[in-house]
Amino acid sequence: GAVVSQHPSRVICKSGTSVKIECRSLDFQATTMFWYRQFPKQSLMLMATSNEGSKATYEQGVEKDKFLINHASLTLSTLTVTSAHPEDSSFYICSARQGTGGWETQYFGPGTRLLVL
Amino acid sequence: GNSVTQMEGPVTLSEEAFLTINCTYTATGYPSLFWYVQYPGEGLQLLLKATKADDKGSNKGFEATYRKETTSFHLEKGSVQVSDSAVYFCALSHMDTGRRALTFGSGTRLQVQP
Repeated sequence: GAVVSQHPSRVICKSGTSVKIECRSLDFQATTMFWYRQFPKQSLMLMATSNEGSKATYEQGVEKDKFLINHASLTLSTLTVTSAHPEDSSFYICSARQGTGGWETQYFGPGTRLLVL
Repeated sequence: GNSVTQMEGPVTLSEEAFLTINCTYTATGYPSLFWYVQYPGEGLQLLLKATKADDKGSNKGFEATYRKETTSFHLEKGSVQVSDSAVYFCALSHMDTGRRALTFGSGTRLQVQP
């Protein structure tokens, strides 16, 4: 199947700093990527939809000024957590959409674990 | 809105036992249904999917049938292995909306003992 990578896999930062997470589709182009957040032993919650060449669509309750999303190319989307605080510590997962219609499938990255001290 | 309900885990089975993980959904229209698996320390992997009523998705010995009348998509495997130990997520998405983001269930942890 298709491969999606994330970098870094793990990051520890100080409170108040910004952290950038990259999501790449390695062997296909993705006009749409999604960013999810997963709390320990819980399900994935959609944060935002990243569209190549246009502004991201954020879910209700997600601060767009805090979680900046850029989808500058068909294979790369970035999530920047600005002025991170301990409550932002979580597992962030991206996915990239391949195909259209009934053949459409989302492929997930391995996730990035963020710890804010 | 859309929602997915899964049976709570953990589910603990002996090797070669039969597995069923229940999943029901609430959605308007005709969503596509998915099962994803997350092995320890790894990201989510698509296990199987079904895009219309009565479709059966299958992969690696796992099966699930899209039942519109009962709004269910239960995951089954006839004989589990230790290597099947993971967290399983049921999910749906709408092909008729622009975003197509997935709505996930809470996940069910499966532990298979030798």
